[in-house]
Amino acid sequence: DTGVSQDPRHKITKRGQNVTFRCDPISEHNRLYWYRQTLGQGPEFLTYFQNEAQLEKSRLLSDRFSAERPKGSFSTLEIQRTEQGDSAMYLCASSSLGQGAGYTFGSGTRLTVV
Amino acid sequence: RKEVEQDPGPFNVPEGATVAFNCTYSNSASQSFFWYRQDCRKEPKLLMSVYSSGNEDGRFTAQLNRASQYISLLIRDSKLSDSATYLCVVKEPNTGGFKTIFGAGTRLFVKA
Repeated sequence: DTGVSQDPRHKITKRGQNVTFRCDPISEHNRLYWYRQTLGQGPEFLTYFQNEAQLEKSRLLSDRFSAERPKGSFSTLEIQRTEQGDSAMYLCASSSLGQGAGYTFGSGTRLTVV
Repeated sequence: RKEVEQDPGPFNVPEGATVAFNCTYSNSASQSFFWYRQDCRKEPKLLMSVYSSGNEDGRFTAQLNRASQYISLLIRDSKLSDSATYLCVVKEPNTGGFKTIFGAGTRLFVKA
């Protein structure tokens, strides 16, 4: 296992288009998280899964955003009708159970909406 | 007040210097604490967890002060390769179990 993988690494899209990102977590990790990060800010929580169940969604996640983890393995994050304000780095992380568990992040998908 | 606050810096220090960062958190029920390191345009990577009694990993020492609700990171004998952004991370309980909050980071530049 080589860690958390995200695809694509970069995505440039026109405003109004839909985009989908994929995350493959570390296979032993039950929890999978999506974060968004803009320049000069720390990662902002979007949503997380424990196995296939989506347990929490941030208020930041508008109706245009949806995430799935259908078999409790990989996850997808879809953004519909993209806006310029959606431009950011989208980071996926996974962890084992337990409040003391740290996160392993993927390299992220950098989204630019033009 | 932000849930997790850090001095954004930048801290500019010469090689070999000792530098310390603080991070304050607002929720006294917070239970787990971490420092992550993030290089420019890269993902955050776990540097170390922070334990109540304080802990050390080589040149890095982390401390937790629950009474004053802050954690600190001390870097001794700074190396050029320590240049990065250091993110303070706090886990606090919520209805879904717990939530993890990242600070905005403190930027460190180590100069030759």
